[in-house]
Amino acid sequence: QVQLVQSGIEVKKPGASVKVACKASGYNFTTYGIAWVRQAPGQGLEWMGYISPYSGSTNYAQKIRGRVTLATDTSTSTAYMELRSLRSDDTAIYYCARDLGAAHDFWGQGTLVTVSS
Amino acid sequence: QSVLTQPPSASGTPGQRVTISCFGSTSNIGSDDVYWYQQLPGTAPTLLIYANDQRPSGVPDRFSGSKSGTSASLAISGLRSEDEADYYCAAWDDSLSARVFGGGTKLTVL
Repeated sequence: QVQLVQSGIEVKKPGASVKVACKASGYNFTTYGIAWVRQAPGQGLEWMGYISPYSGSTNYAQKIRGRVTLATDTSTSTAYMELRSLRSDDTAIYYCARDLGAAHDFWGQGTLVTVSS
Repeated sequence: QSVLTQPPSASGTPGQRVTISCFGSTSNIGSDDVYWYQQLPGTAPTLLIYANDQRPSGVPDRFSGSKSGTSASLAISGLRSEDEADYYCAAWDDSLSARVFGGGTKLTVL
């Protein structure tokens, strides 16, 4: 069965960086893209970007472009999201999701990132 | 301020039919398919409707989607207590070159 398992809770200080991992299993990792979506406390969903594990091509949301890097390691079927220069409003649950080109059909369990001094 | 507009809340009693709207523009809903996600309390979102009106396997036929012009709707018939959740619409926005979500609708089953 398809599973996306994310790394654990992170607590960071303002200005630091965070790297969240998303390990995929149950399907051919290079066949589908991986999208990243975040959700601030009590707020809605915000698309952050997309990466193709097959080609490595990426597309980032304008709001965070320049602070975020998406990457994949096809040898371990793992996707990574790195966010730099963290601010308090980056506090959120970060989700990875399998991207079928439009629909996000399987989601990770989420990783809480807290940014606080 | 979300690119796609949803009502913040909706409610109904068990057995009722409820609809949730999603309003966009020509650069998103007007030119792309609409997707709906259900997020139960404390859990990750799950895909509920894809390509406007298609249900993934395992989603009950009580859930249905439709799209007309620059708006879309999610209908839930035979409302059940376990349907209490947040519902989000999504589409690709050509102007932003990004996927956009609605602000979410919190459904309460009275």
